Amino acid sequence: EVQLVESGGGLVQPGRSLRLSCAVSGFTFDDYAMHWVRQAPGKGLEWVAGISWNGNYIVYADSVKGRFTISRDNAKNSLYLQMNSLRPEDTALYYCTKDSASTIGASGIHNWFDPWGQGTLVTVSS
Amino acid sequence: SYELTQPPSVSVSPGQTARITCSGDALPNQYAYWYQQKPGQAPILVIYKDTERPSGIPERFSGYSSGTIVTLTISGVQAEDEADYFCQSAHSSGNYPQLVFGGGTKLTVL
Repeated sequence: EVQLVESGGGLVQPGRSLRLSCAVSGFTFDDYAMHWVRQAPGKGLEWVAGISWNGNYIVYADSVKGRFTISRDNAKNSLYLQMNSLRPEDTALYYCTKDSASTIGASGIHNWFDPWGQGTLVTVSS
Repeated sequence: SYELTQPPSVSVSPGQTARITCSGDALPNQYAYWYQQKPGQAPILVIYKDTERPSGIPERFSGYSSGTIVTLTISGVQAEDEADYFCQSAHSSGNYPQLVFGGGTKLTVL
């Protein structure tokens, strides 16, 4: 059974940092790209960042570029999101999700998200 | 920035057909994907590559693409289909891909 379990969320003050983790099992982790997607309370889904199977190709949404860093440790079957300079608008449920492909956006490559973890809640407030 | 546009809400009676649209300028050149999200749950994939249905998704879910509009159709809607539905696609921003979601459509089963 494929499982993605996020952790590391919590209440943090604006300007501070937080690191999210996603522990994966049930599939060959280093065969697939991975992503973080977030959902603000009562709002829609927003793609945040993605990383290729080997970590060599990384892309970010403009809203987090320069503040967030996605990484992975294939030996530990784990995905991470380092979030710095947090803002109130970063408040959301953060989902870890598996890509359909090993890389992102290359010619002929089509990226969709399946499955998803249950999410970890990040609240940025003073 | 690139946007995918969905109607905020669609309402149908049980047994009827629900159609949820998603429009975007790049859709003629990019596949679309659809996710269902029920309250308090993570999204699940219901359609990929415009028209393909993952294993385990009921046959009443189907997808269609025409130009800049893709459509998720749910035939013979059941009460359990009441959920939020999000389309997703990709867009090239400079040299980098951006993966984008529509704003979501709340399906109400009357």
